[in-house]
Amino acid sequence: DAGITQSPRYKITETGRQVTLMCHQTWSHSYMFWYRQDLGHGLRLIYYSAAADITDKGEVPDGYVVSRSKTENFPLTLESATRSQTSVYFCASRAGQGASGNQPQHFGDGTRLSIL
Amino acid sequence: GQQVMQIPQYQHVQEGEDFTTYCNSSTTLSNIQWYKQRPGGHPVFLIQLVKSGEVKKQKRLTFQFGEAKKNSSLHITATQTTDVGTYFCAEYNFNKFYFGSGTKLNVKP
Repeated sequence: DAGITQSPRYKITETGRQVTLMCHQTWSHSYMFWYRQDLGHGLRLIYYSAAADITDKGEVPDGYVVSRSKTENFPLTLESATRSQTSVYFCASRAGQGASGNQPQHFGDGTRLSIL
Repeated sequence: GQQVMQIPQYQHVQEGEDFTTYCNSSTTLSNIQWYKQRPGGHPVFLIQLVKSGEVKKQKRLTFQFGEAKKNSSLHITATQTTDVGTYFCAEYNFNKFYFGSGTKLNVKP
């Protein structure tokens, strides 16, 4: 989906470094999400945001920090990267609940992060 | 958090054969969404099921929601090589989505 972009697409960093993954959407969707995808675990929610300045933890939030000062951006920061955080990270967004109920999520292309 | 269990983990079929993946929960699901992820790609929304016993079709794909809303299935009739990918179910609960571990489908031409 061209409306949601992630950067960088690939990143290699070292243990202990801080790294920030960017996510930008052009739909003005209320909700944004960060997932990590590891073999055998599917997609696990790290953090989500229901609106600007509103964020909440998902299943695996430890070691991650998020912010949402603007509706369109939802950066994810690893404050001190560890090898266990090597993964593929997906950002997603969805509109608020409409008349038909919950809306689908739209995913970015992902960031493949390797921590050495 | 909630957990949805998805089986099988892998499925290899010959082109033209049918394929089914199942999603099960120990608790009642408010709704279930299905996504497809092509190799190297990102998940793409397929469908959402909300009502007990609901059945929806998209061409060769049939989606079902159990009567007790504790299970769901995706059935593909006469698979094609374009069906290759991983299929995920996802439960929605209190603003969060809980994904199953996925079923990886491989189709031999």
